[in-house]
Amino acid sequence: QAVVTQEPSLTVSPGGTVTLTCGSSTGAVTSGHYPYWFQQKPGQAPRTLIYDTSNKHSWTPARFSGSLLGGKAALTLSGAQPEDEAEYYCLLSYSGVGGVFGGGTKLTVL
Amino acid sequence: EVQLVESGGGLVQPGGSLRLSCAASGFTFSDHYMDWVRQAPGKGLEWVGRTRNKANSYTTEYAASVKGRFTISRDDSKNSLYLQMNSLKTEDTAVYYCARGLRSYYYYYGMDVWGQGTTVTVSS
Repeated sequence: QAVVTQEPSLTVSPGGTVTLTCGSSTGAVTSGHYPYWFQQKPGQAPRTLIYDTSNKHSWTPARFSGSLLGGKAALTLSGAQPEDEAEYYCLLSYSGVGGVFGGGTKLTVL
Repeated sequence: EVQLVESGGGLVQPGGSLRLSCAASGFTFSDHYMDWVRQAPGKGLEWVGRTRNKANSYTTEYAASVKGRFTISRDDSKNSLYLQMNSLKTEDTAVYYCARGLRSYYYYYGMDVWGQGTTVTVSS
């Protein structure tokens, strides 16, 4: 069973830049894992931010971007805003296994 | 407007059964794969399973934690998705979300639109 790992928590200053990462126990994360990133605020459903490594939805703020970095999927937030404080989850696809979420990163803007 | 609305959650005893529904609107439901995702209290997201579309024979897949106990089905004529949960355990307590698959690739598990969730509590 694949395990997807994320930083449990990160802190960023308002206006600052932070990178969240998403690793796989099976090896390097590639575009073939179709990495996704979701944002979830307390009491709300998750919202999809990034799909297929780096693609944004129409509702995704421009300050969010996705990439592959050092064998992991990465979500970079440039110019953090107070409203970006949330839990962030990545999702990787594994053929024959299904979708596997990371444990989530609690991002604090402080 | 694309919308997913879950219903059917509630309190059930261990060993019991429950059927969740998800009503879809604003898009061509029959074209899409559909997923169920759950979140236990204070915990992260867990993919539960999916049903593919008619073009892929409505095949289903499940997470190991629910395989053999949960069944996903759909009724394209009613734009509805279902999750039949049997032999429920206390660890199945969670908010259950339905989500729309973005692409109809066989081993692609990403989803773009989420419902608001329905709460299932398994307790005696």
